[in-house]
Amino acid sequence: NAGVTQTPKFQVLKTGQSMTLQCAQDMNHNSMYWYRQDPGMGLRLIYYSASEGTTDKGEVPNGYNVSRLNKREFSLRLESAAPSQTSVYFCASSPDGSSYEQYFGPGTRLTVT
Amino acid sequence: AQSVTQPDIHITVSEGASLELRCNYSYGATPYLFWYVQSPGQGLQLLLKYFSGDTLVQGIKGFEAEFKRSQSSFNLRKPSVHWSDAAEYFCAVLRSNDYKLSFGAGTTVTVRA
Repeated sequence: NAGVTQTPKFQVLKTGQSMTLQCAQDMNHNSMYWYRQDPGMGLRLIYYSASEGTTDKGEVPNGYNVSRLNKREFSLRLESAAPSQTSVYFCASSPDGSSYEQYFGPGTRLTVT
Repeated sequence: AQSVTQPDIHITVSEGASLELRCNYSYGATPYLFWYVQSPGQGLQLLLKYFSGDTLVQGIKGFEAEFKRSQSSFNLRKPSVHWSDAAEYFCAVLRSNDYKLSFGAGTTVTVRA
């Protein structure tokens, strides 16, 4: 059981470039989440997917898009990266939206120059 | 809006000494509260949670937390820290409007020999 996996672990982009962060879970969870972590700000929710086929905005969705490809996979896309998107990105999953306990991946450290 | 404050950005503690991390929440009703730990380079792991009932909650790795409604606090404690407890600790509250987690800014714990 790998839990929640994320790729890549590290990425450096130039301003304006695009990329997709990948997340997969093997726990048969219904709900998945994308967070960003910035110093002194804790984790902030970007987007979430309560179940396969649905996605909703979180606190800081601007500049991002997501795709719930299937029950296992939830990707986060930056269409035109900006320096303000330099952050550590975490994917998480939970059995469903009401179980509240979330399981986190190891994170992707993204730098935009 | 429901929010969480962690007043201490950084705490240094000697190995074997006790540890207490503070968390204050802003919420009208009884909140659902969580403590997560993030070891260096890792994702977040749930230490413990409080939904209702006994106000003293036991978690993993020897941690406990006490819910005090009168003080709007949910402080995390460990009687004797180990070097492996060096990590960042996040308090979180479940928002009632969308049932999503709102995280505090985190407290970094350094353990000295």
